[in-house]
Amino acid sequence: GQNIDQPTEMTATEGAIVQINCTYQTSGFNGLFWYQQHAGEAPTFLSYNVLDGLEEKGRFSSFLSRSKGYSYLLLKELQMKDSASYLCAVRDRVKSSGNTGKLIFGQGTTLQVKP
Amino acid sequence: DTGVSQDPRHKITKRGQNVTFRCDPISEHNRLYWYRQTLGQGPEFLTYFQNEAQLEKSRLLSDRFSAERPKGSFSTLEIQRTEQGDSAMYLCASRPGLAGNNEQFFGPGTRLTVL
Repeated sequence: GQNIDQPTEMTATEGAIVQINCTYQTSGFNGLFWYQQHAGEAPTFLSYNVLDGLEEKGRFSSFLSRSKGYSYLLLKELQMKDSASYLCAVRDRVKSSGNTGKLIFGQGTTLQVKP
Repeated sequence: DTGVSQDPRHKITKRGQNVTFRCDPISEHNRLYWYRQTLGQGPEFLTYFQNEAQLEKSRLLSDRFSAERPKGSFSTLEIQRTEQGDSAMYLCASRPGLAGNNEQFFGPGTRLTVL
């Protein structure tokens, strides 16, 4: 089966650091994505991990451990505009019929940044 | 604007009516995906096209749903005999068929309300 778990809600203070965790159990794995989604808007790409370790991009970092089925998104120097839903998604495995690349999403973590 | 576009942005219909949504992917993106997202949940995969070929369909896509991509460019998603449970945001995403992180670019979505 496919199961991706992330906390439903988190609250943090402006200027602080927050870590959003994601655990996954999927029948295959071909990379993990983090997307940001503001209310009523489309998801926008934040990061991609396919190998173990940390990927850093500005105020955002993402970590992956394939052996543990675990990832986290780290947001530094939080700003009010970071209030949004953060979606963890696993890309489906390569199949003999071809790599569709479909994403399997968690339910999303709603982050509220307070002044 | 060279992003993914979707039309209409909002659709309100009565139960039993048919509706059709359109997605225009980023030019030269040969891979196109449809997802459905309900409130408080992450997107769920519906179907995938590579050029004009529909290569994968989710079990979520009942017989009332049909998708096409006749010329390998824009795509349409039709829902026949709509039900209240079809109310959701329908998201389209595209990506190029090249190597790389294969990020999917999402459109703004069509929000369907079935009364």
